[in-house]
Amino acid sequence: EDQVTQSPEALRLQEGESSSLNCSYTVSGLRGLFWYRQDPGKGPEFLFTLYSAGEEKEKERLKATLTKKESFLHITAPKPEDSATYLCAVLRPGGSYIPTFGRGTSLIVHP
Amino acid sequence: NAGVMQNPRHLVRRRGQEARLRCSPMKGHSHVYWYRQLPEEGLKFMVYLQKENIIDESGMPKERFSAEFPKEGPSILRIQQVVRGDSAAYFCASSLQGAKGYTFGSGTRLTVV
Repeated sequence: EDQVTQSPEALRLQEGESSSLNCSYTVSGLRGLFWYRQDPGKGPEFLFTLYSAGEEKEKERLKATLTKKESFLHITAPKPEDSATYLCAVLRPGGSYIPTFGRGTSLIVHP
Repeated sequence: NAGVMQNPRHLVRRRGQEARLRCSPMKGHSHVYWYRQLPEEGLKFMVYLQKENIIDESGMPKERFSAEFPKEGPSILRIQQVVRGDSAAYFCASSLQGAKGYTFGSGTRLTVV
């Protein structure tokens, strides 16, 4: 079954229009949640790691938050260069440290 | 300080041929992960290796696919007798230590004709 669900699948914003992307997960005993950005034709680029509920991380216009069931990636006043697919991943339960990815949210920011 | 290096970037194979994809992890990283990505889909885990050991291959098809990470040299993902359904982007990631961050390469785009 899906352990990581991202929504929406696609999001179109006007430049400066703030919004949030959602990542819900079903694994118990979360050992880590990751956010990545992926541009077309490239590999995922690391953004954030979150480990426990209540934790927040920020980088430029991006802010990631974590609860016991989901994580949000908040984008404040986005610019066209923020257009990309944003991927969320959680570590599988068990001994191996293997990230399981959601399908991603494709973000387009119009000028 | 080079990142994760994957080669080739693009690979075209005819049905029935073999494909070899290479991944050199970041310097000092001993954990390697291979993922496959199809258009409009997320990254699907295939195999997790440490030097000379396969730790978890639960995402790897049982037939035609194999992976290794020798003591010296890059990790290799090998696909024998390729079929059109193997066409995808294959990404490699490496880490220094589990849960501390995973760095991805730029991927190899395999096209089977």
